[in-house]
Amino acid sequence: AQSVTQLGSHVSVSEGALVLLRCNYSSSVPPYLFWYVQYPNQGLQLLLKYTSAATLVKGINGFEAEFKKSETSFHLTKPSAHMSDAAEYFCAVSDNDSSYKLIFGSGTRLLVRP
Amino acid sequence: DTAVSQTPKYLVTQMGNDKSIKCEQNLGHDTMYWYKQDSKKFLKIMFSYNNKELIINETVPNRFSPKSPDKAHLNLHINSLELGDSAVYFCASSPYLTSLETQYFGPGTRLLVL
Repeated sequence: AQSVTQLGSHVSVSEGALVLLRCNYSSSVPPYLFWYVQYPNQGLQLLLKYTSAATLVKGINGFEAEFKKSETSFHLTKPSAHMSDAAEYFCAVSDNDSSYKLIFGSGTRLLVRP
Repeated sequence: DTAVSQTPKYLVTQMGNDKSIKCEQNLGHDTMYWYKQDSKKFLKIMFSYNNKELIINETVPNRFSPKSPDKAHLNLHINSLELGDSAVYFCASSPYLTSLETQYFGPGTRLLVL
């Protein structure tokens, strides 16, 4: 079964610094990949998704992610962090056995220091 | 004009009680989901319905019974509540039954079983 690993349960950056949140998936068959963001006391919101088109995917709020098959990775980046980016970020992957099921990583809490 | 709404937002109850959580989407989507997010923020799918038909049932105890009276509603009834049921329950919807599609999440229902 497919699995997804997010390295670092907490990432802390200064405002204006680069944001890098890591995500690795387990399948040898390129899946569909997603990043969702969860602001405090809210539901999840899609940031971006990879569905086998361009390997560099641009999302909302200045975030982007690059699909790297050789590294089985889909890391999320943003050149300059803003205080409003503080939230929980989830990487998700489509399940190989069930094409309509998403498997979520354990999440990474992004803290932005002033 | 909330896209995916859930009621109640908070639910505090005693062990052994029966409770229901309601979900409604006004997006015209065919597919709806229930997810459970535990205290460590781990998010796991419980059920998925497509056009009122149960598609995914992720080895959830049969104390949990989803009901979809129509495409726009997916309710979750829980019998004989246990301490371990304490979590945040998210409803979500997507246009079609494929993980390619963006899932739209409700704000969550925070259930605390005492």
